Amino acid sequence: ETGVTQTPRHLVMGMTNKKSLKCEQHLGHNAMYWYKQSAKKPLELMFVYNFKEQTENNSVPSRFSPECPNSSHLFLHLHTLQPEDSALYLCASSQELVGGGSSYEQYFGPGTRLTVT
Amino acid sequence: GDSVTQMEGPVTLSEEAFLTINCTYTATGYPSLFWYVQYPGEGLQLLLKATKADDKGSNKGFEATYRKETTSFHLEKGSVQVSDSAVYFCAADRGSTLGRLYFGRGTQLTVWP
Repeated sequence: ETGVTQTPRHLVMGMTNKKSLKCEQHLGHNAMYWYKQSAKKPLELMFVYNFKEQTENNSVPSRFSPECPNSSHLFLHLHTLQPEDSALYLCASSQELVGGGSSYEQYFGPGTRLTVT
Repeated sequence: GDSVTQMEGPVTLSEEAFLTINCTYTATGYPSLFWYVQYPGEGLQLLLKATKADDKGSNKGFEATYRKETTSFHLEKGSVQVSDSAVYFCAADRGSTLGRLYFGRGTQLTVWP
């Protein structure tokens, strides 16, 4: 048990569908992240939230829309996706982001395996 | 820019063999360094970390030493087991407000009995 849960674990959707991925962390963290893991590509950071505020959008297409209603929950809303968006989407959390040389150990959820048909 | 480079796999070993997975980083600051492991069908789990030069991180028989002079953080284990089969990721951060972790591409390890 990593303390970070993701639902659903598997999702198949058509290109015209709208779906959402959910992430919840039980670690008392204040920073949350979405990553995309595709076959044969490095892990890609998508979004970062710190105290519910988005601090980074790594040039992610607008068909991916994140939402962070509180420090424990993070959503990724999906609409009109493309087949190349099929991947494992990982959520992670860490302590709040501040300066001063702290290490930002991130705790990952198990991921949602997304297939776009 | 900041980045992490790790040896490409796949790495295939027999049980009880010695393991080394190389990792080097480039950074303008003084990053903390991490090794994460991903077992089949699961997310990444932190395996070990080191936060300053000459620190040694260790866990489950794995070790890695933060070498500032060679900007390296190589992962080692003296005797691997079949259960160690997984993908291993080296990562670095800068302790910045961006919270960015720079990951290597991952190294697939397969251990045969």
